[in-house]
Amino acid sequence: DAKTTQPPSMDCAEGRAANLPCNHSTISGNEYVYWYRQIHSQGPQYIIHGLKNNETNEMASLIITEDRKSSTLILPHATLRDTAVYYCIVRVARSSGSARQLTFGSGTQLTVLP
Amino acid sequence: GAVVSQHPSRVICKSGTSVKIECRSLDFQATTMFWYRQFPKKSLMLMATSNEGSKATYEQGVEKDKFLINHASLTLSTLTVTSAHPEDSSFYICSAYRGAGVGEQYFGPGTRLTVT
Repeated sequence: DAKTTQPPSMDCAEGRAANLPCNHSTISGNEYVYWYRQIHSQGPQYIIHGLKNNETNEMASLIITEDRKSSTLILPHATLRDTAVYYCIVRVARSSGSARQLTFGSGTQLTVLP
Repeated sequence: GAVVSQHPSRVICKSGTSVKIECRSLDFQATTMFWYRQFPKKSLMLMATSNEGSKATYEQGVEKDKFLINHASLTLSTLTVTSAHPEDSSFYICSAYRGAGVGEQYFGPGTRLTVT
């Protein structure tokens, strides 16, 4: 699986958009970009994933560059409860039906400030 | 969404004793579950992959005789930390693979193990 690079920490004002970048310059054509977050002392929570098109769901938007070498997770209106470590993971979605583990990097500690 | 539970959420045990942690997929069947360990201020590290009805696959450096994994049914996997020592104190997290749908791995809430 391709390696990802994220800034170690970011701050965001409550109510503003939080834009979390991720570099994955060695991504392969069949690898997806997944985003998970981990609130302190809890298990990771799935946020969103995408292949090459931009994606949006009720939690966030995912913007993937045309060359797919980087992406940005956008939380449109950050709240205090969005304070967490955000992990960007690149991985093949499935491999002939077999399960693939997620390899977590260091992630970005997002702190939403009141 | 899919729900994965872990029990217990917190456990304190004495050095030399064994501790069992359960991971259950509550509303789906999981042929594969993963066990992760997380030390303070560190990222999750995969310990082993648990497949229903077969032996678990351990990551390099993880002692299979110390961390016993049993995946006896499609909704339950257990991790037993045998002869626990203080250095085994950690946050243990399981995930279950549903094999369908987006975000196909669902994580449990974690178990905080403290060995005194």
